Amino acid sequence: GAVVSQHPSRVICKSGTSVKIECRSLDFQATTMFWYRQFPKQSLMLMATSNEGSKATYEQGVEKDKFLINHASLTLSTLTVTSAHPEDSSFYICSATSPLAAYQETQYFGPGTRLLVL
Amino acid sequence: KNEVEQSPQNLTAQEEEFITINCSYSVGISALHWLQQHPGGGIVSLFMLSSGKKKHGRLIATINIQEKHSSLHITASHPRDSAVYICAARGQGAQKLVFGQGTRLTINP
Repeated sequence: GAVVSQHPSRVICKSGTSVKIECRSLDFQATTMFWYRQFPKQSLMLMATSNEGSKATYEQGVEKDKFLINHASLTLSTLTVTSAHPEDSSFYICSATSPLAAYQETQYFGPGTRLLVL
Repeated sequence: KNEVEQSPQNLTAQEEEFITINCSYSVGISALHWLQQHPGGGIVSLFMLSSGKKKHGRLIATINIQEKHSSLHITASHPRDSAVYICAARGQGAQKLVFGQGTRLTINP
């Protein structure tokens, strides 16, 4: 099946610094990537939808200036948490999808990035 | 009320038991996904359904479009099936998924 990777898998940073998380589709071209965050024992919450070559669409309540999303190529999207604060500590997951028939518009999820802001 | 509701929220069973997890949704959908999330956090897509039934190994997923209901069944359950199972609906013409709150399944040996 299709593979999506995320890097880093875990990051600890100081409050006020910025953290970049990468999401890559390894064996298919992802026209659309999604970014989610998940707090402990809660379900995934969609943050934004990213289409290659265009600006991301953010969900209500998600600050676009704080969570910068770039989808510069068909295999890479990045999420940058700017001026991170402890309340940004969470599990960030990306997923990717392709409209190609072979991938049946299934969403393929990355392994997630655990962010801890001290 | 959430657009996607799962039941039960928690389920504990003994090894070899037949497991059923239910998912109801209130919107028209183009597809319904069943996902599995292990304690480490990684998510695996188990099924994507738009009608009928799909089977993969010991897992079976069914959907009834008229009743807006889907079920995930696990036959001959095993401790390694312990995970959180999430159903997610994709609305008609939509890209994004709407998630249920998840069902935490624990299979005891």
